[in-house]
Amino acid sequence: GDSVTQMEGPVTLSEEAFLTINCTYTATGYPSLFWYVQYPGEGLQLLLKATKADDKGSNKGFEATYRKETTSFHLEKGSVQVSDSAVYFCALGMDSNYQLIWGAGTKLIIKP
Amino acid sequence: DTGVSQNPRHKITKRGQNVTFRCDPISEHNRLYWYRQTLGQGPEFLTYFQNEAQLEKSRLLSDRFSAERPKGSFSTLEIQRTEQGDSAMYLCASNVGGGKTDTQYFGPGTRLTVL
Repeated sequence: GDSVTQMEGPVTLSEEAFLTINCTYTATGYPSLFWYVQYPGEGLQLLLKATKADDKGSNKGFEATYRKETTSFHLEKGSVQVSDSAVYFCALGMDSNYQLIWGAGTKLIIKP
Repeated sequence: DTGVSQNPRHKITKRGQNVTFRCDPISEHNRLYWYRQTLGQGPEFLTYFQNEAQLEKSRLLSDRFSAERPKGSFSTLEIQRTEQGDSAMYLCASNVGGGKTDTQYFGPGTRLTVL
């Protein structure tokens, strides 16, 4: 079945470091791909999305490119801030069932 | 938009009791979703509605769980005879259209603790 695999956390970085959080997926069709973020004590918020191969989603300095050949949607940011500390979830959406299928989440800790 | 709201935010109950959660979606969003999230995991789909019709239910939704959306606006999720394994965060999301490209907007969740 369809699934999403994320790198395990926590990921601990110093402020201004480069961030990569890996996400790979398995899907029988052509999914849309999403990154959601959950800040402490808050609900899930969409960070960015890409709806077809080679699309790049971007928001708040974060980017991810939909790579069909490697079935990946890795999240990157050039210079992280303490305020980026949160849990990041990769998810895919398929036309066949309308639900989102989620990775387990990656906790990011940024130290000043 | 005021966002998706959920009540209560926290619920502590004893095993065997019934609990009911409410979700108010963003106005005019015709699709509403329920997910369950346990610690350290991503959300797991439970069910979804298009207007008042419940169109899909996960196998996770045992017969102790029931969800309604009577007028196509707010929704309730009831758990009967709660078990300790029901302890989780229950998330509600909504959107318009509901295709694979459409963003789902999430509420803050209801955290259930079953003692």
